[in-house]
Amino acid sequence: DAKTTQPDSMESTEGETVHLPCSHATISGNEYIYWYRQVPLQGPEYVTHGLQQNTTNSMAFLAIASDRKSSTLILTHVSLRDAAVYHCILRVGRNYGNEKITFGAGTKLTIKP
Amino acid sequence: EAAVTQSPRSKVAVTGGKVTLSCHQTNNHDYMYWYRQDTGHGLRLIHYSYVADSTEKGDIPDGYKASRPSQENFSLILELASLSQTAVYFCASSDRPGYNYAEQFFGPGTRLTVL
Repeated sequence: DAKTTQPDSMESTEGETVHLPCSHATISGNEYIYWYRQVPLQGPEYVTHGLQQNTTNSMAFLAIASDRKSSTLILTHVSLRDAAVYHCILRVGRNYGNEKITFGAGTKLTIKP
Repeated sequence: EAAVTQSPRSKVAVTGGKVTLSCHQTNNHDYMYWYRQDTGHGLRLIHYSYVADSTEKGDIPDGYKASRPSQENFSLILELASLSQTAVYFCASSDRPGYNYAEQFFGPGTRLTVL
C-alpha cells in the first residue's frame, strides 16, 4: 500500500496561516487523500479529503499537486484549538471488502499565543 | 450528529487473560473498524466489518479476534492478552467507501494496559 510522509512537527502563532505538507509519491489512481486531526485523549476527527482537484471546506483548504504525489493542508487564521496531530491518509476503497487504510505518525502542530 | 461509543474507557488486564472491548454506533453505518494506537505513533487497522456477522482482517490482526453481532455493535477480543497489546484502541464507523468519500467517525478510545 502507498504510504505518506509528513514532518514530525510544525509550529505557528495564532492568526497565521499554516501549510502542512504530505508526500505520497507512490499513490495509486484510485486512492483518495484524506486528512484527519487528533487532539490528546480523543479519537481522530475528519478534516477534509480530495482526489485530484483542490478542495475547501469550513475547516481547511486542501491543495493537491497536479501529479498527485504531494498535497498540502492549509489552515488559515489558526487558533489554539487547531493544535493537534494532523494525519495525511490514503484510502483504497473498493466495493465491499479489502478496505485498507494506512495511518502515519502525522504532524504535531503547535500553536503559540 | 454521528455517535460512536466505546466501553470500557480504560482497562487493566493481566497477561494471558481475556479482554473484550466493545463499540456501539448509532450512525446506521455499514462499516466499522478497530484500530490501535501506540504512544507517538499513528493508527493501525486491526479488523473491520462491512456487514453484521462478518469480519475482515486489517493490517495487524494477529492476537485479535473481532465480532459483529449486529450493525450497531462491534467487539474486539483479545483471547490471551500480552504485554505488547498495551495501547489505546479506537473504534470507528463509516458509510460504504468506494467512489464517494466515506468519512470515518471515531469513538473516544479505550486505554488498555496489560500487566
